[in-house]
Amino acid sequence: DSGVTQTPKHLITATGQRVTLRCSPRSGDLSVYWYQQSLDQGLQFLIQYYNGEERAKGNILERFSAQQFPDLHSELNLSSLELGDSALYFCASSDPSLAGGTGELFFGEGSRLTVL
Amino acid sequence: LAKTTQPISMDSYEGQEVNITCSHNNIATNDYITWYQQFPSQGPRFIIQGYKTKVTNEVASLFIPADRKSSTLSLPRVSLSDTAVYYCLVDPYSSASKIIFGSGTRLSIRP
Repeated sequence: DSGVTQTPKHLITATGQRVTLRCSPRSGDLSVYWYQQSLDQGLQFLIQYYNGEERAKGNILERFSAQQFPDLHSELNLSSLELGDSALYFCASSDPSLAGGTGELFFGEGSRLTVL
Repeated sequence: LAKTTQPISMDSYEGQEVNITCSHNNIATNDYITWYQQFPSQGPRFIIQGYKTKVTNEVASLFIPADRKSSTLSLPRVSLSDTAVYYCLVDPYSSASKIIFGSGTRLSIRP
């Protein structure tokens, strides 16, 4: 158990719909990262938040947005869903104050999104 | 951003030592080398991280030569439960957003 909690574990929806994925980081971790993993793409970095502020953006579509709340949990909002958005979405947290590069990323179990 | 190259797949047998080599020719001075393990439908799990020479923990060893252009993850006495995908990452200091997960090495362990 990494200590990172993601909900829901599975989600099935239709094209054009909007969903929200939720992540609770490890206790004390200020940074939250979102990744997308599809069969043909591997793990793609989407976005990072640090203590409520957006810190870095990766390959995140304009239809996707995220935020981190004062209690440090984060939500990833996916809208106007397309078939190609079907993937596993992972949240990770870390404590960048740890010595040694970025330290360890702790990943949740992921949310599997299926768009029909 | 430093790109990594590692074998797409490897096979081995229970009880053997497995060495997975990764090349990262463009590694920068401040970059660390990190390895993650991922089982199907689970999030990646940190295995080991190093900067130079050799690092060992309870599950693996990481060998990094002086030029740091490659690294080798060594898994001693593997078991069936070590069947997973292993990712070699170049980790820029304090910038996890620049970490690139490549395709990884799919390791299959046979009885």
